[in-house]
Amino acid sequence: GAVVSQHPSRVICKSGTSVKIECRSLDFQATTMFWYRQFPKQSLMLMATSNEGSKATYEQGVEKDKFLINHASLTLSTLTVTSAHPEDSSFYICSARGDRNYGYTFGSGTRLTVV
Amino acid sequence: GQSLEQPSEVTAVEGAIVQINCTYQTSGFYGLSWYQQHDGGAPTFLSYNGLDGLEETGRFSSFLSRSDSYGYLLLQELQMKDSASYFCAGNQAGTALIFGKGTTLSVSS
Repeated sequence: GAVVSQHPSRVICKSGTSVKIECRSLDFQATTMFWYRQFPKQSLMLMATSNEGSKATYEQGVEKDKFLINHASLTLSTLTVTSAHPEDSSFYICSARGDRNYGYTFGSGTRLTVV
Repeated sequence: GQSLEQPSEVTAVEGAIVQINCTYQTSGFYGLSWYQQHDGGAPTFLSYNGLDGLEETGRFSSFLSRSDSYGYLLLQELQMKDSASYFCAGNQAGTALIFGKGTTLSVSS
């Protein structure tokens, strides 16, 4: 079945630094990637949608200059949290849809802690 | 826009049957999905209803009624390992899944 590999699984960074999270589709071409954020005891909240080769579409309230999304290839999308602050500490999850995959394949998530 | 409502908590005992309801308001609704998430983990796909009716997958079943904007997840023969959060999620064609707020299921012995 379709597999999405997400790295790193956990990361701790200092306030003010940037962190990059990668999601790779291993056995299909991910034409669309979705990025979610989940705070403790809350639901998954959609942050942005990116189509390969296009600029990402951000949900209302999500700062596009803070959360940089790159989807330059059909197998790789990255989310960079720039100038991270403690309030950015959260669980970030990617989800991909492909040309032959009509379902949504989720990565394993990245636990970001900003200290 | 889309919104999905589900109960925040459900408790049950091992071996029991539990139903988690989900009502939704969405334009251009395409289908209803159900996901399970254990603490610290990623959501795991359980079931999808694109058409009205019942879908059965082992101990889990899911139901959809488009006319009522309503669906449910039915878990049978509950086990301790079923203690987790369960999310209903809807989507319009080709767009992202939008998740409900989640239902925490606690299964006791």
